[in-house]
Amino acid sequence: AQKITQTQPGMFVQEKEAVTLDCTYDTSDPSYGLFWYKQPSSGEMIFLIYQGSYDQQNATEGRYSLNFQKARKSANLVISASQLGDSAMYFCAMREGGMEGAQKLVFGQGTRLTINP
Amino acid sequence: EPEVTQTPSHQVTQMGQEVILRCVPISNHLYFYWYRQILGQKVEFLVSFYNNEISEKSEIFDDQFSVERPDGSNFTLKIRSTKLEDSAMYFCASTMRGRGYGYTFGSGTRLTVV
Repeated sequence: AQKITQTQPGMFVQEKEAVTLDCTYDTSDPSYGLFWYKQPSSGEMIFLIYQGSYDQQNATEGRYSLNFQKARKSANLVISASQLGDSAMYFCAMREGGMEGAQKLVFGQGTRLTINP
Repeated sequence: EPEVTQTPSHQVTQMGQEVILRCVPISNHLYFYWYRQILGQKVEFLVSFYNNEISEKSEIFDDQFSVERPDGSNFTLKIRSTKLEDSAMYFCASTMRGRGYGYTFGSGTRLTVV
């Protein structure tokens, strides 16, 4: 079974509009963390935002916010006021387990976001 | 801001050759990782490393792969005899306390096996 599911292979949005990228996850571990990364065409993985399973509030980082709905096991990324530079591949990822030890990330398939002028 | 540095950025190698991908993790980080991304696909975990030994490895990380921290700063991934299907982007990552927060990736090495 997929641990991270991103159901939108591609999204097209007009510049300055808000956009929501979907991510659902599957885990039975009470302690986990959720990440979003941006991968531009140059290939690097750029960290955007993190949400811990015990965090009471939704994470925000500038124009990025994470809509964390624990009961629904969803962690959607919201980008406000999209810009042309936001065009990229976006990956949702999860780490499972407690706070100590080396921990791998499990990634979703990604969503390719294209911002149109 | 501290960075994870990977070299080379691109490498082309002949099938059957050995390659070594190099990474310099963030200096106060303790946990190190390699991931692989075949073109157009998702990022996959290969191996994690802590205290000079492998913590966990995936099914992909077979006997052709090895990792090493030869000195206090470098972390390397060796592929002993490359195959065409090893062509991918390889990412190094490091974390400070293994929490997962502050999971920093390098910019990647694009390996092409011909």
